[in-house]
Amino acid sequence: DAGVIQSPRHEVTEMGQEVTLRCKPISGHDYLFWYRQTMMRGLELLIYFNNNVPIDDSGMPEDRFSAKMPNASFSTLKIQPSEPRDSAVYFCASSSRVGTGHQMGTGELFFGEGSRLTVL
Amino acid sequence: TQLLEQSPQFLSIQEGENLTVYCNSSSVFSSLQWYRQEPGEGPVLLVTVVTGGEVKKLKRLTFQFGDARKDSSLHITAAQPGDTGLYLCAGARIVGTYKYIFGTGTRLKVLA
Repeated sequence: DAGVIQSPRHEVTEMGQEVTLRCKPISGHDYLFWYRQTMMRGLELLIYFNNNVPIDDSGMPEDRFSAKMPNASFSTLKIQPSEPRDSAVYFCASSSRVGTGHQMGTGELFFGEGSRLTVL
Repeated sequence: TQLLEQSPQFLSIQEGENLTVYCNSSSVFSSLQWYRQEPGEGPVLLVTVVTGGEVKKLKRLTFQFGDARKDSSLHITAAQPGDTGLYLCAGARIVGTYKYIFGTGTRLKVLA
């Protein structure tokens, strides 16, 4: 079975340009997450969706960042305009709800291979 | 503010040695996961613990969730070069939420 698919794998762009990162979650998963990883700050949660609806976007750095999930099989993370400090590896992950009661929220996060963004 | 602090940050050991990685917080977590990440790839789940005091074993890896659900440890017995990687703990503070916050990470290198 295909895992989480992200594109592009690498993106080099100049400051001020628009960047769009794409993600296809695992079929049947109802949760989708966007994370950003840097050496300084580690792996940070930016936003997550449940059934295509954004649940928590408190990790989105600022208004330059936006994320959409128009359907269950596709999500985008857009940065406009991009800045050098946005350089990082951006990961998409998906998961499905498992269990009930105390066991809720213990589902495995399946990560894509990441999109490495370099803003010059 | 980093909710989950891992120690040590870096660890380089010889094959066959034992090691322990710690994940600490002042906050209580409803569940905690451990992931391993290799270069150029996304993290992969190793284990999930949900009950205070819980101990889980995965071959040579032993995971423990603290009694107060504020900390966790990962112990590796007889480390092998294949254990090399970045180890990340991730905690969810509220039952039923998928808002997993990741720790600062421990980068392990096992020398043959």
